[in-house]
Amino acid sequence: ELRLVQSGAEVKKPGESLRISCKASGYTFTNYWIGWVRQVPGKGLEWMGRIDPRDSYTNYSPSVQGHVTFSADKSITTAYLQWSSLKASDTAIYYCARYRSHYGSEAYYYYMDVWGKGTTVIVS
Amino acid sequence: DIQMTQSPFSLSASVGDKVTITCRASQSIDNYLNWYQQRPGKAPRLLICAASSLEGGVPSRFSGSGSGTHFSLTISSLQPEDFATYYCEQNYRTPWTFGQGTKVEI
Repeated sequence: ELRLVQSGAEVKKPGESLRISCKASGYTFTNYWIGWVRQVPGKGLEWMGRIDPRDSYTNYSPSVQGHVTFSADKSITTAYLQWSSLKASDTAIYYCARYRSHYGSEAYYYYMDVWGKGTTVIVS
Repeated sequence: DIQMTQSPFSLSASVGDKVTITCRASQSIDNYLNWYQQRPGKAPRLLICAASSLEGGVPSRFSGSGSGTHFSLTISSLQPEDFATYYCEQNYRTPWTFGQGTKVEI
């Protein structure tokens, strides 16, 4: 069964560091990117970026670039999202998702087909 | 960044109704457009990729269309489990971006 299991909820103070995890199973971890999506309570979805677990190549949204770091450990098929200094505005639910792709007429289409249940992060 | 604008922001409908949600891109994105459904308290779920390709396991009452800057998601006969929030997402150019969501309510 394809699964992404995310770590549990966190309550932290501003300025603290944090790393949340996303454990993949049921597929070859290095064959698919992992994306991260943020959702402030009661608000919409925000694309944060993605990582290629094969070589740890990353793309970050400008809105989070420099504030978060994506990483992946192939040996334990786990992706991570980390902060070195949290802000109150980081309070949100964070989802990881697997990117599947297929080639179209000129380029690849990417879409998030398997999602974790989300990790709630409260910074207060 | 490419801006994605959905309309309406919310809508009220009844079981059996036909519902159409639209998504407009601030520039042409060809057909690099996905649709997701999010039920309350749940993670999003992929419905449609490449503007019109139905994801496996998604009921055929869902359909997508469009290209360029105008797209739509149609539910042909609304079912109780379809009451949720729907998001479009462009993957034409990074940063990939979501629309603000459309909430479908009873």
